[in-house]
Amino acid sequence: AQKITQTQPGMFVQEKEAVTLDCTYDTSDPSYGLFWYKQPSSGEMIFLIYQGSYDQQNATEGRYSLNFQKARKSANLVISASQLGDSAMYFCAMREGPAGGGNKLTFGTGTQLKVEL
Amino acid sequence: EPEVTQTPSHQVTQMGQEVILRCVPISNHLYFYWYRQILGQKVEFLVSFYNNEISEKSEIFDDQFSVERPDGSNFTLKIRSTKLEDSAMYFCASSGGGGADEQYFGPGTRLTVT
Repeated sequence: AQKITQTQPGMFVQEKEAVTLDCTYDTSDPSYGLFWYKQPSSGEMIFLIYQGSYDQQNATEGRYSLNFQKARKSANLVISASQLGDSAMYFCAMREGPAGGGNKLTFGTGTQLKVEL
Repeated sequence: EPEVTQTPSHQVTQMGQEVILRCVPISNHLYFYWYRQILGQKVEFLVSFYNNEISEKSEIFDDQFSVERPDGSNFTLKIRSTKLEDSAMYFCASSGGGGADEQYFGPGTRLTVT
């Protein structure tokens, strides 16, 4: 089974609208972390937001928020007030094991987001 | 703001040649990683490194690959005898440890094997 599943290969959103990018995960480890990265066309990987499995509240970073539903094993990224510069590939990733232990990230296949005028 | 740097940004090499990809992680970070991304595909883990030794490696990281931290700042990935299928973007990443879990990625080295 895939550890990280992103079912939306491509998404369109109008400028200034909110958009939700889906991510579901599969792990039996009680301690894990979920990450979202942005990859613009220039290729670099930009860290956006992190959610730990024991965090009680959903993570937020500026216009990014993570809708963490532990029972459903989902960690959707919500981008509010989309901007043209948000057009990029977005990857969901998971770390299994406790935080701070240098464990690898497992990535999903990504969602290509295009923001339109 | 501190960042991970990688050199070169693009490397073209012939099949069978050795290449060394270089990275300078964020200076106070403890854990270092190499990932690769074949064009149009997802990012795949290669190896992690801590306290001057490999902590984990994937099945991709076979005997053709090696990593080294030759001094206090550089972290290198060597591919001994490149194959066509090694063509990919190679990302170096680092994380702080001690509960600081975010992995920060460098800009990548695009390796093209001809």
